[in-house]
Amino acid sequence: AQSVTQLDSQVPVFEEAPVELRCNYSSSVSVYLFWYVQYPNQGLQLLLKYLSGSTLVESINGFEAEFNKSQTSFHLRKPSVHISDTAEYFCAVIRGSGNTGKLIFGQGTTLQVKP
Amino acid sequence: SQTIHQWPATLVQPVGSPLSLECTVEGTSNPNLYWYRQAAGRGLQLLFYSVGIGQISSEVPQNLSASRPQDRQFILSSKKLLLSDSGFYLCAWSVPLREGGTGELFFGEGSRLTVL
Repeated sequence: AQSVTQLDSQVPVFEEAPVELRCNYSSSVSVYLFWYVQYPNQGLQLLLKYLSGSTLVESINGFEAEFNKSQTSFHLRKPSVHISDTAEYFCAVIRGSGNTGKLIFGQGTTLQVKP
Repeated sequence: SQTIHQWPATLVQPVGSPLSLECTVEGTSNPNLYWYRQAAGRGLQLLFYSVGIGQISSEVPQNLSASRPQDRQFILSSKKLLLSDSGFYLCAWSVPLREGGTGELFFGEGSRLTVL
């Protein structure tokens, strides 16, 4: 069975500092990987996704994530965070084929950006 | 373009009262539909998903039920609410894998339910 582990429940960081939110998954087959962001009292929005091809994927607001098959990881990074990046971030995985299409989510990481 | 709406946005209900949360999707057909619950400080728990009209799969035993009376309408219900039903409920849709989908979910704005 697939599972997703987000290693940090909360990550406090100062504005303009770099940040990494860690995500590991368990699956013996090919997967699609996603990062979602949730601002307070809102639904989830897709931040970026890895389906195939280049292992480094980027979002429009400066986040990037790298698919590492050997380490079964999909860590999210940003070189310089802003106050507006304060939110909850969810990593999710789905098996690439032969499944019912259900995303498996991690428990979430709260990113707290301090001035 | 596709849109998803769910309502009401907030709801305060007494224990033992009924519940109905509604979700509709526009701009697509034959979507997979999902109901998730997010309890305070916890991750997302998949409650129900549907691959077609009248087809409902329940992920966890609970006090809630779901129905899909139309292709793009998904309803979450309860006959008698419990305190433990409080939480943030999210509806989502995806393109079926058989139609080229990747599993990517598109979420509604959420409905916050407080049971007193």
